[in-house]
Amino acid sequence: SQQGEEDPQALSIQEGENATMNCSYKTSINNLQWYRQNSGRGLVHLILIRSNEREKHSGRLRVTLDTSKKSSSLLITASRAADTASYFCATDGGNFNKFYFGSGTKLNVKP
Amino acid sequence: DTGVSQNPRHKITKRGQNVTFRCDPISEHNRLYWYRQTLGQGPEFLTYFQNEAQLEKSRLLSDRFSAERPKGSFSTLEIQRTEQGDSAMYLCASSLGLAKETQYFGPGTRLLVL
Repeated sequence: SQQGEEDPQALSIQEGENATMNCSYKTSINNLQWYRQNSGRGLVHLILIRSNEREKHSGRLRVTLDTSKKSSSLLITASRAADTASYFCATDGGNFNKFYFGSGTKLNVKP
Repeated sequence: DTGVSQNPRHKITKRGQNVTFRCDPISEHNRLYWYRQTLGQGPEFLTYFQNEAQLEKSRLLSDRFSAERPKGSFSTLEIQRTEQGDSAMYLCASSLGLAKETQYFGPGTRLLVL
């Protein structure tokens, strides 16, 4: 089974609202990353957070990591229609050689 | 464009045929990864290369699948005797390796086996 699992599976909000997605994983990690995928396209890297970090920001994105709960959250503030996409968390399972992805959260931002 | 490129972008084939996909990583990246993604799911790891050496293969990579990276630059993924269950998006990613773990993904090759 996959290492990371996102919650919720789908999220629909109005433009301007904040969107929060959660990710849970199973084993120890060195880092956790969030990716965005527009329909039928490749993945775009958003942000990387290391296991010794608790929070990171990048523009309208805020990521938190709680290694004791094996969970992470991605907050997108002031969402835009262009943020409509699937969002995946990826963990390295304590091994830098590959990533484990969840099934993603499908975000729909209505204009 | 200096990102990861993949060719072809789409491939339709008949069951039993062989197909080959190509991935050109970002030029200075020594690690190259292949993933498979089916509809509604996240990518699943298939294999990765450190330069020309294939260092890890997933159990998903059956005997019909083979990947190469002959000169440590571009890579090919071949599927022999394709089956309908091989229909998926095949994604390639590259990274600098060492402590630079961020993987940069290409646009993918979408395979449809009829």
